[in-house]
Amino acid sequence: DAGITQSPRHKVTETGTPVTLRCHQTENHRYMYWYRQDPGHGLRLIHYSYGVKDTDKGEVSDGYSVSRSKTEDFLLTLESATSSQTSVYFCAISGRGRLSDTQYFGPGTRLTVL
Amino acid sequence: QQQVKQSPQSLIVQKGGISIINCAYENTAFDYFPWYQQFPGKGPALLIAIRPDVSEKKEGRFTISFNKSAKQFSLHIMDSQPGDSATYFCAASKGAQKLVFGQGTRLTINP
Repeated sequence: DAGITQSPRHKVTETGTPVTLRCHQTENHRYMYWYRQDPGHGLRLIHYSYGVKDTDKGEVSDGYSVSRSKTEDFLLTLESATSSQTSVYFCAISGRGRLSDTQYFGPGTRLTVL
Repeated sequence: QQQVKQSPQSLIVQKGGISIINCAYENTAFDYFPWYQQFPGKGPALLIAIRPDVSEKKEGRFTISFNKSAKQFSLHIMDSQPGDSATYFCAASKGAQKLVFGQGTRLTINP
């Protein structure tokens, strides 16, 4: 998984509670991304970061916030989780070396909101 | 809005056959077109990618065909093997950062 870890790997939470997912990379890639994967929708970009403290919205950013205080860490926060946010969340990285366009994906976090 | 449409949703091919998955895009500003392969319980992994300055790119048994005027591109898997059974996603973007993915194709190769 190209030096990417995600934590937790599985989480069950209740509607209305805050949730934070963590992505950690050891590859010193410039870009980091959060996607969600749902049946019939493929993967959809939530937010991405192009540097420390530099972030931008993706196509499904409502209800999510992100922070990147260090090159290696990218946090995704659901301020008040809803059942529609039940999904598998993938972190990805890119932007270093000869294959700088390639996005490398982490192992995913399965989130269930009851 | 769905900017990248992928078909078919599922595909069954006999071992040794050719698997073909198609994608169509709407945004003419897109200039990067990757294909990803995903096995159950794993994250997607890049298989092959193309830029619009070429009409075809081949890596081993995998070929991307690209038709800029029709805004379509396809993945061909030659001599398909049971180990190719996976879900395949096409994607597109301007630059290579904000990828827009297709809905995915579940490919099954029968031995």
